Order: sequence, then C-alpha cells, then structure tokens
Amino acid sequence: QVQLVESGGGVVQPGGSLRLSCVASGFPFSGYGMHWVRHTPGKGLEWVTFIRYDGSNKYYADSVRGRFTISRDISKNTVDLQMDSLRVEDTAIYFCARQLGLTGMDYWGLGTLVTVSS
Amino acid sequence: QSALTQPRSVSGSPGQSVTISCTGTSSDVGAYNFVSWYQQHPGKAPKLMIYDVDKRPSGVPDRFSGSKSANTASLSISGLQADDDADYYCCSYAGNYWVFGGGTKLTVL
Repeated sequence: QVQLVESGGGVVQPGGSLRLSCVASGFPFSGYGMHWVRHTPGKGLEWVTFIRYDGSNKYYADSVRGRFTISRDISKNTVDLQMDSLRVEDTAIYFCARQLGLTGMDYWGLGTLVTVSS
Repeated sequence: QSALTQPRSVSGSPGQSVTISCTGTSSDVGAYNFVSWYQQHPGKAPKLMIYDVDKRPSGVPDRFSGSKSANTASLSISGLQADDDADYYCCSYAGNYWVFGGGTKLTVL
C-alpha cells in the first residue's frame, strides 16, 4: 500500500535552516509528482511546493519562493524540502503528498512538526 | 495566491444534510475543473474526499458529493454521522500552483 513517511522536523531559530525528507513506498515513485503542504492551527492547510515526476519543473508558493527548495532522488524514493531563512510564520506541520493529476493530492504522510522560535 | 473562501463553521444533526461552499476567482476555481476536498480530523493527515470537482475516490461513501458553479465549488454531505465531525478544506489548481481554502469546521450536533 502507498506509504509516505516524513522526517527532519524540529526546533530552529529564526533565520536558520532545516531539511525535511519524505520516503515513499508502495507505488512507482518515478511516475508521480510530489507536493509539500503545511498546516497551522490559524491558517489551516497551505500548499507549499510541487515537483514534477521527473524533477523537470518545480513550483512554489509566494510565501516560500526563494527560501525553500524541493528536490527528489529517484534512487532513494525520497522527496526533500530544504528550508532556509526560516521565519516564525513557517512554524507548521509539514506533510508530503502524492500528486493526483492537476486536482491535488491523493495520499498523505503523517507529517513532521517544524517550530521556528528564538 | 489568495486563499479560497470557506465558511468558518457549519453544523447539523445526525441524519441531516449540510453543504460547504468554497469561493475562488476566475483564475482558480472558475478556470479549471480541478477542485478537490479534504477531511481532516484533529492530529491526523488530510484525507481526500472529492477530486476533479465531483469524483469520489474508492472507499468514500456516496453521502459525499461535489459540484461547481462559476467561481464557487461546494461539498455536500447527506445523512450526517458522528465521524463526519471534522475540518474540511477545498483546494483548486490555479495554473502552476495550488490554493487551499481556509477550512470549515463541521460540527455534528
């Protein structure tokens, strides 16, 4: 069955960096695009970034463009999110999710918590 | 990249029906038939309930249905059950990015 497992969350100071990773299994990883979506109690779900199945195109929310970078490693079945210049407002649970066409996401991981605080 | 607009909360008694609206613009909801809906219980991952405006994934009861008119999409839930008590989010493709609604808290009284 499809499984997505995120890791790498933690506590970091404003201006710091963190790298999240998501390991995928149970489906042909190289055939699917992948999303990162975050959740906060105040704003709910917010789409963060997407990478196409072949890594040829990457898209970002305005709120993270220039600070976050998505990448994937087909050999390891992983999709990573490098987060730099972190801000307090980046505090959230970060989910990786599998692409479902252009409509959104069909399978989600359990999430990893990122806390940005001094 | 503005969030789609959803009511903050809706409620209904067991067995009743409710509808949650999701209003966007002609650049997102109105432009594409790529609207999805997610159910999220506290502390859990979101679950896909509707995709491509009105399609149900395998395993989702037919009590859940989706529709769209112009810039507004809707999620309807009939025969409310206790387990439907959750947050619901809409999501729309907007041309090289995706946008979520602010979420609606459904309370089953």
